[in-house]
Amino acid sequence: KAGVTQTPRYLIKTRGQQVTLSCSPISGHRSVSWYQQTPGQGLQFLFEYFSETQRNKGNFPGRFSGRQFSNSRSEMNVSTLELGDSALYLCASSLFDGTGELFFGEGSRLTVL
Amino acid sequence: KQEVTQIPAALSVPEGENLVLNCSFTDSAIYNLQWFRQDPGKGLTSLLLIQSSQREQTSGRLNASLDKSSGRSTLYIAASQPGDSATYLCAVPMDSNYQLIWGAGTKLIIKP
Repeated sequence: KAGVTQTPRYLIKTRGQQVTLSCSPISGHRSVSWYQQTPGQGLQFLFEYFSETQRNKGNFPGRFSGRQFSNSRSEMNVSTLELGDSALYLCASSLFDGTGELFFGEGSRLTVL
Repeated sequence: KQEVTQIPAALSVPEGENLVLNCSFTDSAIYNLQWFRQDPGKGLTSLLLIQSSQREQTSGRLNASLDKSSGRSTLYIAASQPGDSATYLCAVPMDSNYQLIWGAGTKLIIKP
């Protein structure tokens, strides 16, 4: 069974640009959540989607957005990139079976110059 | 507000030793607690999930315990190997949803 797949794995952008990251969850998993990991702030929750609906959102500015498609694949978008957006963006999927267990992808490492 | 703390931040031990990593949380009303491993530049690998009704979980050389009353969880690694070198993170969900609150991690180095 394939794990959580995130693309692209690495990308470099310049300030002011926008970026879209993609996440394909484990087959059958309907919940997808996104996290940002930086050396200074550690892991921080961005948002969580279930059945195409955003259920929870972390404390991030409106430049960070996401969506989930009918096949449970999810994308997140960051507009007007800032240097501080450089981070590892991790996607996790869950079966939503009541256990609360999350499975993570390898992440997308974004560098903003 | 739930806070998760992991001490120590770093730990270096010789190969073969048994070791314990600590995770503490301020709000004992947790739904579950999950331990993860992260290799440098990589994503997170789920190691063990302990439900609030459980006291411990085991997987191979790993054993995680949970004491909600004291707000503590420990991850015990038996007969450590150089391949166990990684950062270990614990996390608890906010209420019963999938928004995790994370510890800062313990960076473990196993010396051959």
